[in-house]
Amino acid sequence: EDQVTQSPEALRLQEGESSSLNCSYTVSGLRGLFWYRQDPGKGPEFLFTLYSAGEEKEKERLKATLTKKESFLHITAPKPEDSATYLCAVREDAGGTSYGKLTFGQGTILTVHP
Amino acid sequence: DSGVTQTPKHLITATGQRVTLRCSPRSGDLSVYWYQQSLDQGLQFLIQYYNGEERAKGNILERFSAQQFPDLHSELNLSSLELGDSALYFCASRPTPTDTQYFGPGTRLTVL
Repeated sequence: EDQVTQSPEALRLQEGESSSLNCSYTVSGLRGLFWYRQDPGKGPEFLFTLYSAGEEKEKERLKATLTKKESFLHITAPKPEDSATYLCAVREDAGGTSYGKLTFGQGTILTVHP
Repeated sequence: DSGVTQTPKHLITATGQRVTLRCSPRSGDLSVYWYQQSLDQGLQFLIQYYNGEERAKGNILERFSAQQFPDLHSELNLSSLELGDSALYFCASRPTPTDTQYFGPGTRLTVL
């Protein structure tokens, strides 16, 4: 069974203080690793998809990287508006039988103080 | 705005009742997924439909059922509601043949 573990559970940063969030996964065949941002009471907002080890994607102050066992979401010089819960999810390549089901981690709650 | 719409935004009901949640996917998306998010369980996959057919089931209770209609909108039916069913329910749609799912704003269900 797919497993996704995110750390830390919560992270408090000062504005401008760069850091990284971790997502460790166990899956028999990775079809894709996804990062989402979720604001309180809202739906998850898609950020990145990564498919293979060594791949990197960037968007504004965020950069996502992927290895064979984990992914990192690097936040450079964060601003208060980056405060949110960041969710990691995996899609298993199960020969088509999983039909795109995502398995999510518990998320990291990021708070950026001005 | 993801393009996925869900109604209602909030739903308050009593134990034992039945409710229906509605989802309209992004234009052209054939796949619809339902997820439940509670404080202790996180986001959990419930069920997936593709072009009107059920394709995959997750941890969906027997009291819950879903369907996807010819116009591709989907409904999630929850019956014999219990206090523990209180949660956020999200719908997501996926454009074929990509892998990315786009989530709607959710329906917050409160069972009293």
